[in-house]
Amino acid sequence: EAGVTQFPSHSVIEKGQTVTLRCDPISGHDNLYWYRRVMGKEIKFLLHFVKESKQDESGMPNNRFLAERTGGTYSTLKVQPAELEDSGVYFCASSQDAIQALHFGNGTRLTVT
Amino acid sequence: TQLLEQSPQFLSIQEGENLTVYCNSSSVFSSLQWYRQEPGEGPVLLVTVVTGGEVKKLKRLTFQFGDARKDSSLHITAAQPGDTGLYLCAGAQWTYKYIFGTGTRLKVLA
Repeated sequence: EAGVTQFPSHSVIEKGQTVTLRCDPISGHDNLYWYRRVMGKEIKFLLHFVKESKQDESGMPNNRFLAERTGGTYSTLKVQPAELEDSGVYFCASSQDAIQALHFGNGTRLTVT
Repeated sequence: TQLLEQSPQFLSIQEGENLTVYCNSSSVFSSLQWYRQEPGEGPVLLVTVVTGGEVKKLKRLTFQFGDARKDSSLHITAAQPGDTGLYLCAGAQWTYKYIFGTGTRLKVLA
C-alpha cells in the first residue's frame, strides 16, 4: 500500500507570500494529523481531522494557518501570509483509528526568507 | 506544558556496543511510542507500550515502560551502523494527541 505522501518536499518563499502544503494519507485512514518541527525544537501537534471534520485544531499557531480536508481524502495546509518563524518541517500523518500508530509522510521543509 | 525529555541528546558509539536511551516526564501517559527517523524522512514507528512495567523486544531493541507510566527506555544491544538515526519517544494521554520528546540522535561508527 502507498504510504503518506506530502507535496512539495521543499518550499522556499519570501516573507508575506502564501504557501499551500498537501498531504495524501494512506487510503482508508480516516484520521489525518498535521505536525510541525521548527529548528531545534520537538515535533509539535497542529491539528487532527477525522474524515473531513476538524477534531482538534488547538495546536495551530495563529489564524495565518488554514487546514482543509474536503471530501475526507487529501488535506491542505495553507500559510498566508508566511512569516520567518513559520520555517520548519511540516509533517502529515494518518492512522486508521485515533489511538493507533501514526504513519508519517516525509515532510515538507518550508523556508521563509 | 507537558514535556518529554530524552537523554542523552547525542550519542556516538562504536559498532557492537550497547546503549540505553531514556524518555522521562512528570506526566502520566496512557501509551508511549518510540519512533526512528532518518534524514529526509518522517518518523517510523518502532513500538507502542501501554501497560506500566511492560517490556517489548524487537530484535536487538528492548523497550520498557515505567511502572508509573511516566518514563520509558530503549536499550539497543550490539549496535550496528544501520541503527544510526534520530530516536523519538511520543506519549499520549488517553487521547489521539501525541506529545513528542526532544529526541536522541544516535550515530554508530563501523
